[in-house]
Amino acid sequence: TQLLEQSPQFLSIQEGENLTVYCNSSSVFSSLQWYRQEPGEGPVLLVTVVTGGEVKKLKRLTFQFGDARKDSSLHITAAQPGDTGLYLCAGAVRAAGNKLTFGGGTRVLVKP
Amino acid sequence: KAGVTQTPRYLIKTRGQQVTLSCSPISGHRSVSWYQQTPGQGLQFLFEYFSETQRNKGNFPGRFSGRQFSNSRSEMNVSTLELGDSALYLCASSLTGQLYEQYFGPGTRLTVT
Repeated sequence: TQLLEQSPQFLSIQEGENLTVYCNSSSVFSSLQWYRQEPGEGPVLLVTVVTGGEVKKLKRLTFQFGDARKDSSLHITAAQPGDTGLYLCAGAVRAAGNKLTFGGGTRVLVKP
Repeated sequence: KAGVTQTPRYLIKTRGQQVTLSCSPISGHRSVSWYQQTPGQGLQFLFEYFSETQRNKGNFPGRFSGRQFSNSRSEMNVSTLELGDSALYLCASSLTGQLYEQYFGPGTRLTVT
């Protein structure tokens, strides 16, 4: 069982549609990061959230951190083919000794 | 500013051999973390070095080791390679540590035959 559960595992949508990816844990996160990884490359950091209830926006991407700091979501508005990639959440969980733990990832495909 | 570089990018080794991978962090970054990425297990944390000291360690066997030099460059070593060690090995650098902003390199693709 993953300490961080991401859902869904795979998402295929048409250009212009919206999508939401979820990241959940039964433990409290000290901090949480979202990354996007494209084939043949390392993950690229999108955002770091540290405060419960925090909402951060990055152009068409909106990140929410749950009030209890046990869950987070990434919402993409009007998705474009350039948003295609593997989205990873990573959190420092006290139950894991505050080491950074990654979720299994959500593979997003945006078709033109 | 130059990004994180990793060498080599691709490597093929035989079971039982050992391998050393290298990582050069972004200039000024003192934290370097190593990760293993496989289709089955995803991205897993190996260890983090900060100012030449191992600050944190994941749940990997002792065959996996690392070190960091005074210029912050880091190496990881895997001894007695097993087929299951085939993976993408990623290194990431940070100013303060892995819990905040991390910048990943492109990875080293290791294949063990």
